Amino acid sequence: AQTVTQSQPEMSVQEAETVTLSCTYDTSENNYYLFWYKQPPSRQMILVIRQEAYKQQNATENRFSVNFQKAAKSFSLKISDSQLGDTAMYFCAFSPNYGGSQGNLIFGKGTKLSVKP
Amino acid sequence: DTAVSQTPKYLVTQMGNDKSIKCEQNLGHDTMYWYKQDSKKFLKIMFSYNNKELIINETVPNRFSPKSPDKAHLNLHINSLELGDSAVYFCASSQHAPGQATNEKLFFGSGTQLSVL
Repeated sequence: AQTVTQSQPEMSVQEAETVTLSCTYDTSENNYYLFWYKQPPSRQMILVIRQEAYKQQNATENRFSVNFQKAAKSFSLKISDSQLGDTAMYFCAFSPNYGGSQGNLIFGKGTKLSVKP
Repeated sequence: DTAVSQTPKYLVTQMGNDKSIKCEQNLGHDTMYWYKQDSKKFLKIMFSYNNKELIINETVPNRFSPKSPDKAHLNLHINSLELGDSAVYFCASSQHAPGQATNEKLFFGSGTQLSVL
């Protein structure tokens, strides 16, 4: 069975600092997609970044980047220059490569990130 | 305009009641989903419909019945509500079904918080 594990239930970081959220997953698939979603207090689920497993290059989106280690089945999220608006729950998610659709997402239990002024 | 909208945002009801949550997307997408987020923030897929046809049906009690009158709507009806049904229910949509396309994005609604007393 495919599983996603986020070992840090809560983290905090000072504004403007850098923070890394951990995620590991377990799968026997060779092709798949990995995602980080942000859920602010408004509850809206927002896609932050995605990574295709067949791509060796780590994905980046502005201040957000990932460290994808396929052999180790690790997919961490780095947030640089943290801002107060980054305060949210962050979910790591896995999708089998059924053509790349995110429909059948498997989520981790989330990491609550607090950015302190 | 909200892309994926679900109503109501909050629903408080007694055990044993029957309730419905409505979801509509104005993105012209073919596929819609229901996810359940429990009290521990764990998000899990429940159902998926593509062009009004059920394509994903995870292990969910028969008391939960999705209904898709057209591809822009996917409602969730719950019979005989139980305490354990208390959760946040998210509707989502994507252009294609799992397996049909790559580079898909999933759009989430803002959730319905269901409290069963």
